[in-house]
Amino acid sequence: AQSVSQHNHHVILSEAASLELGCNYSYGGTVNLFWYVQYPGQHLQLLLKYFSGDPLVKGIKGFEAEFIKSKFSFNLRKPSVQWSDTAEYFCAVTRTSGTYKYIFGTGTRLKVLA
Amino acid sequence: NAGVMQNPRHLVRRRGQEARLRCSPMKGHSHVYWYRQLPEEGLKFMVYLQKENIIDESGMPKERFSAEFPKEGPSILRIQQVVRGDSAAYFCASSPTGVSSSGANVLTFGAGSRLTVL
Repeated sequence: AQSVSQHNHHVILSEAASLELGCNYSYGGTVNLFWYVQYPGQHLQLLLKYFSGDPLVKGIKGFEAEFIKSKFSFNLRKPSVQWSDTAEYFCAVTRTSGTYKYIFGTGTRLKVLA
Repeated sequence: NAGVMQNPRHLVRRRGQEARLRCSPMKGHSHVYWYRQLPEEGLKFMVYLQKENIIDESGMPKERFSAEFPKEGPSILRIQQVVRGDSAAYFCASSPTGVSSSGANVLTFGAGSRLTVL
């Protein structure tokens, strides 16, 4: 069965620090990969997605993620975080064939200190 | 173009009562997904529906939980005889298609319904 692991459950950074959140998935076939963000009190919003092509994907608000197939990873990065990036970040994977459903990681709570 | 609409946003029930959560997908979306978010556990898939069909209910508890997406009206997640362990945020998401080979299947989430069981 598919699964997604986010190893960092809680991350605290100061403003302007660089961010990298880990995401690993387990599935041997072709996948689509996503990062969603949930700001306090709000619903999940799509940050970025990977379907095919360039493994370095750029999303909104300066976020990017790199798909490394050999490592089954899709880590999220941002060179310089802001206080407004305080949120919970979820990695998700779905297969590219058959009836599909998103499998989410447990999430990483990021707190950025002003 | 309204997004995914969920109601109620907050629902309080006593043990043994029934909870009904509603989800209206985005206009043009015919695929609906329900997820449950428990503290420190992330989002767990519950059920995937198309109009009048349950496609995948592998994440639904075997008892007390049911879901439907009728031809007309919103999708409904129904929890009978609620227990304290059902307290959670329930999120609905929709997509225009269920085909995974294109960008059309990105999920759009609603704001969630927070169920509290006393």
